[in-house]
Amino acid sequence: GAVVSQHPSWVICKSGTSVKIECRSLDFQATTMFWYRQFPKQSLMLMATSNEGSKATYEQGVEKDKFLINHASLTLSTLTVTSAHPEDSSFYICSARVRGSSYNEQFFGPGTRLTVL
Amino acid sequence: EDQVTQSPEALRLQEGESSSLNCSYTVSGLRGLFWYRQDPGKGPEFLFTLYSAGEEKEKERLKATLTKKESFLHITAPKPEDSATYLCAVTGGTSYGKLTFGQGTILTVHP
Repeated sequence: GAVVSQHPSWVICKSGTSVKIECRSLDFQATTMFWYRQFPKQSLMLMATSNEGSKATYEQGVEKDKFLINHASLTLSTLTVTSAHPEDSSFYICSARVRGSSYNEQFFGPGTRLTVL
Repeated sequence: EDQVTQSPEALRLQEGESSSLNCSYTVSGLRGLFWYRQDPGKGPEFLFTLYSAGEEKEKERLKATLTKKESFLHITAPKPEDSATYLCAVTGGTSYGKLTFGQGTILTVHP
């Protein structure tokens, strides 16, 4: 149980284009999903918290107009990197908390490798 | 601000050589300490949650323990397939719901 998927697993795009990454909870409902980015040999850095039906909460220093997050249902959150540039190249990982659970575990997706040329 | 420090940064073991990884934390009102395993190019895989000092949890060759200031991940008789990066994270009173991660310990187990 508690499986999270991401699509695509990797994407290469040209500078200036937008890229959408999907995060789905496959066998549970998630009121809250999280988006992280991870640079090589570094740990995970939280970008934003996504709550179903409401606006995402962004961490300090993360541009909300550049990283658009939509959490339209209890099983799907999307991250759109707008006007991507080479410095946006990174490993993007989503996680989800089980709706109604009294525990605080987050279950992670497999990640999406974004390369901007 | 919550802080998590993991040590060592890297650990190389021979197969069967037991050892421990350390996670020191500072958090206001701990609401959970989590251990994850991450393989290269993949997302973290959930291992354990610990909530209060004295708590212990086991899974196969892994055992996690918790005190008021740190957590240990003990690996007994490791195998090469245990090679991975092990991440520790906390959530607490001022940041409840969000995870603050340590930098991880890269474990390599040689046959």
